[in-house]
Amino acid sequence: EVQLVESGGGLVQPGGSLRLSCAASGFTFSSYSMNWVRQAPGKGLEWVSYISSSSSTIYYADSVKGRFTISRDNAKNSLYLQMNSLRAEDTAVYYCARARADYGPFDYWGQGTLVTVSS
Amino acid sequence: EIVMTQSPATLSVSPGERATLSCRASQSVSSNLAWYQQKPGQAPRLLIYGASTRATGIPARFSGSGSGTEFTLTISSLQSEDFAVYYCQQYNNWPLITFGQGTRLEIK
Repeated sequence: EVQLVESGGGLVQPGGSLRLSCAASGFTFSSYSMNWVRQAPGKGLEWVSYISSSSSTIYYADSVKGRFTISRDNAKNSLYLQMNSLRAEDTAVYYCARARADYGPFDYWGQGTLVTVSS
Repeated sequence: EIVMTQSPATLSVSPGERATLSCRASQSVSSNLAWYQQKPGQAPRLLIYGASTRATGIPARFSGSGSGTEFTLTISSLQSEDFAVYYCQQYNNWPLITFGQGTRLEIK
């Protein structure tokens, strides 16, 4: 069974940093591209970042470019999102999501981790 | 950026009836269109990809159609568990992946 479990969310002050993790199991993690998607409270879905299976290709949404860094450790079956210079508008539930194909839709999602940016 | 517009924002339908949800893209996305279902407090679930292919384990009452800029998700006979928010997503224009704003399907 495919499982994605996020962790690392919490309350952080504006300008602060946080590192999210996503532990994957039930599939060959190193064969799949992965993504982070976020959802602000009561709002819709926003794609945040993409990383290819070998980490050779990385993309970011304009809203986080230069502040967030996606990475993965295939030996540990883990995906990460380093978030720096956090703003109030980054407050959201952050989901990790597996891409069905390299540039395909997202076929499995984690349960999400809440990041709250507030003083 | 491709803007995805879903309509209606809220749809009220009785159990057992058919529901039709629409999604329009601001420019062609070919058939690179997915539909997701999200229930309160849960992660989204992939229903349809490639505009019309059901994902693994999705019941046959869910069907998708369309190509280019106009897409439809149809739920043929609504069950109680189908009342949720539905999002369309275009994945034609990487890395500029975009979602629609969602359609809330509620019990009439």
